[in-house]
Amino acid sequence: DTAVSQTPKYLVTQMGNDKSIKCEQNLGHDTMYWYKQDSKKFLKIMFSYNNKELIINETVPNRFSPKSPDKAHLNLHINSLELGDSAVYFCASSQGREKLFFGSGTQLSVL
Amino acid sequence: GIQVEQSPPDLILQEGANSTLRCNFSDSVNNLQWFHQNPWGQLINLFYIPSGTKQNGRLSATTVATERYSLLYISSSQTTDSGVYFCAGAMRGSQGNLIFGKGTKLSVKP
Repeated sequence: DTAVSQTPKYLVTQMGNDKSIKCEQNLGHDTMYWYKQDSKKFLKIMFSYNNKELIINETVPNRFSPKSPDKAHLNLHINSLELGDSAVYFCASSQGREKLFFGSGTQLSVL
Repeated sequence: GIQVEQSPPDLILQEGANSTLRCNFSDSVNNLQWFHQNPWGQLINLFYIPSGTKQNGRLSATTVATERYSLLYISSSQTTDSGVYFCAGAMRGSQGNLIFGKGTKLSVKP
């Protein structure tokens, strides 16, 4: 019954590889997000989609590409991974601008 | 964008003690939320509180929007309250881009 679920939980990969993180929410929310948490625990928004439309795209390298096939899914694809991409990536959802619910996070380690 | 300052950055409590965490904003916000990140990394939404006061068990929160701050009260703290508490806000007219503070790391000792 997980409200916002993301996979995988851990992702260890080599520099230069391409990887994807998947996210699904069963709350019926119309807005989904990707956040990045760095090693100092600082949380920053990367992308936001409302009803499958991109509404927020912060200063993120274009190696990061979100894809929203429907309102309940928002996946994150990362090309040519770099050491600095190592972080915890959180998916989240909300109904409009209301209460934000996070997934359990994906810890990405780039070696 | 807005700046979000949280204080204190670190807090150590004995079990049973009460505490107050503060969040200041550099500009007016109309979307303010508090989160708890437990030691396993899970982020839980505690309150959606753009103004006024709300209570949930031992936790309560008050936002004074006109003075650009919010407070989170933890009463009778328990070891399970340990973790990092974040506040986040979004400006009126923004597209819902929640800006997070750096958090308050709380350690509750038995």
